Amino acid sequence: AQKVTQAQTEISVVEKEDVTLDCVYETRDTTYYLFWYKQPPSGELVFLIRRNSFDEQNEISGRYSWNFQKSTSSFNFTITASQVVDSAVYFCALSEHSSASKIIFGSGTRLSIRP
Amino acid sequence: DTGVSQNPRHKITKRGQNVTFRCDPISEHNRLYWYRQTLGQGPEFLTYFQNEAQLEKSRLLSDRFSAERPKGSFSTLEIQRTEQGDSAMYLCASSLDEGSNTEAFFGQGTRLTVV
Repeated sequence: AQKVTQAQTEISVVEKEDVTLDCVYETRDTTYYLFWYKQPPSGELVFLIRRNSFDEQNEISGRYSWNFQKSTSSFNFTITASQVVDSAVYFCALSEHSSASKIIFGSGTRLSIRP
Repeated sequence: DTGVSQNPRHKITKRGQNVTFRCDPISEHNRLYWYRQTLGQGPEFLTYFQNEAQLEKSRLLSDRFSAERPKGSFSTLEIQRTEQGDSAMYLCASSLDEGSNTEAFFGQGTRLTVV
């Protein structure tokens, strides 16, 4: 079974704080891909990152960083020095090699950054 | 604009009416996906096309739903005899057929309200 769990429904922090969004996934495939998408109030899903199951190196892009740990089936997302513009719903997602890129999404974490 | 385009952006319809949505993918993308997103949830996979062939349909896609992609370019999603439970955001995405390691680009969605 394929499943993505984002246990944090809502997070609220003060601007400039660091915040980590948790993501745990389940899959039977050995080859799979993990994603994070941002959904601002406008509704469009904005792609942030894709990692494949063979690459466990952590990735940093500006204030964003991702921690992929196969041992715990987790793919957590950290925003450093958060800004008000980071306020959005963030989705973690999974795509299995065997399923033609069909993406399975978690239920999302609503992040609010207070000035 | 070379992104995924969806029309209309909003649709309000009375229960029992039929509605049709259109999706224009990125021009060179041969894979096209439809997702449905209800309030507070992540997008749920409905169906996917490879060129003009509809290769997979979710159990969420009841008999009242039909999707087409007649020439392998744009796609339409029709809902017949709409019900209030059909109220949701309908998202379209497209990607290249380069194995599973491809990024899906999402449109801004069509928000359906059934009254």
